[in-house]
Amino acid sequence: SQQGEEDPQALSIQEGENATMNCSYKTSINNLQWYRQNSGRGLVHLILIRSNEREKHSGRLRVTLDTSKKSSSLLITASRAADTASYFCATDGLMDSSYKLIFGSGTRLLVRP
Amino acid sequence: SAVISQKPSRDICQRGTSLTIQCQVDSQVTMMFWYRQQPGQSLTLIATANQGSEATYESGFVIDKFPISRPNLTFSTLTVSNMSPEDSSIYLCSVGVLAGRPSGEQFFGPGTRLTVL
Repeated sequence: SQQGEEDPQALSIQEGENATMNCSYKTSINNLQWYRQNSGRGLVHLILIRSNEREKHSGRLRVTLDTSKKSSSLLITASRAADTASYFCATDGLMDSSYKLIFGSGTRLLVRP
Repeated sequence: SAVISQKPSRDICQRGTSLTIQCQVDSQVTMMFWYRQQPGQSLTLIATANQGSEATYESGFVIDKFPISRPNLTFSTLTVSNMSPEDSSIYLCSVGVLAGRPSGEQFFGPGTRLTVL
């Protein structure tokens, strides 16, 4: 079964607005990663946040992690039409040294020009 | 990050046949994985491809249906055997534990879109 659940399932915003996506997971983790997927193609790695980190930035991306609530959020600021894609969170378990990832259900983001 | 290629990028196959998907990485990697993404769904791990030994399969996936090879640290294949329309999915390989990268980071290939008629 999937570890993570994401909300919203779908998000439609105007270009220039900010987009926030949330991810929840069930068990203790080593890391949480966010990926982007355009139109059913390969996944693009966006950012990795470790379990001992609370916030991380990369360009227009801001990721937060709250291990007490087992949740993470991805904020995309000043969105562009090119940000239209599906976004997935993925975790690897603290008790599992195999590095295998369990993915959330994904958020479909539409940025309207 | 590593450059990962997959072949074929897409294929349309008849039921009952088999398709082998190749994954090539431009540098040696410790971990390689195969995932399936069914239409409109998230990704599910099929197996971990182990170099020089049998792959480690996740619950619900078996070697007879998804045989995997990994002859060296840069290459792996996944075969989808005796295909049925339910096997129509995107199949993605990923790599992890890259030198100079944070532990746990995984990078994905472009995927193979398989349609079974």
